[in-house]
Amino acid sequence: QQQVKQSPQSLIVQKGGISIINCAYENTAFDYFPWYQQFPGKGPALLIAIRPDVSEKKEGRFTISFNKSAKQFSLHIMDSQPGDSATYFCAASNSSNYQLIWGAGTKLIIKP
Amino acid sequence: DAGVTQSPTHLIKTRGQHVTLRCSPISGHKSVSWYQQVLGQGPQFIFQYYEKEERGRGNFPDRFSARQFPNYSSELNVNALLLGDSALYLCASSLGAGANTGELFFGEGSRLTVL
Repeated sequence: QQQVKQSPQSLIVQKGGISIINCAYENTAFDYFPWYQQFPGKGPALLIAIRPDVSEKKEGRFTISFNKSAKQFSLHIMDSQPGDSATYFCAASNSSNYQLIWGAGTKLIIKP
Repeated sequence: DAGVTQSPTHLIKTRGQHVTLRCSPISGHKSVSWYQQVLGQGPQFIFQYYEKEERGRGNFPDRFSARQFPNYSSELNVNALLLGDSALYLCASSLGAGANTGELFFGEGSRLTVL
């Protein structure tokens, strides 16, 4: 019940296309859902985060869509660029817990 | 402004040895968390400290221990190293205590290889 399942494991998208990464969770107590971006040799960096009181959050080319009833959330990267090539992780936590539960990651490659 | 700094960046140990990893949080941050990231997987929570007190512990054996110092820096210690301890150890700092109370800022990690 503490798991966050992420798909796909890897994704190749043409430059200018839309990249979509999906995550699902079971624990209904989760109330914070961040997405992290990690480049090789670097630590993860927060990209965008959402709380369950909204269904969508947009920051620049990055959008989180959140479906509370389905217990799913997804990251959309519009106009994908080669510089977006990285590994993306979804995560979740709740206010009674001090840890982030992470998905397994999606390696995104944007082809020029 | 300096971000989260970790040392050493890389180290090689043999089975049975002990290792100490160090982390300095962003100035003003009072919370430090440790995560283990095995190659090809998401990070796994090990510990969280806030105001020098342990606030959370993940599902790791007692060989793993940590502490936070008065200046909010932190150490992660691993005893009796096993091959399976080979991983990237990430330190994250934040202003608040909870993982959902604000952004976690990660260091670049300490890459541990156990032979």
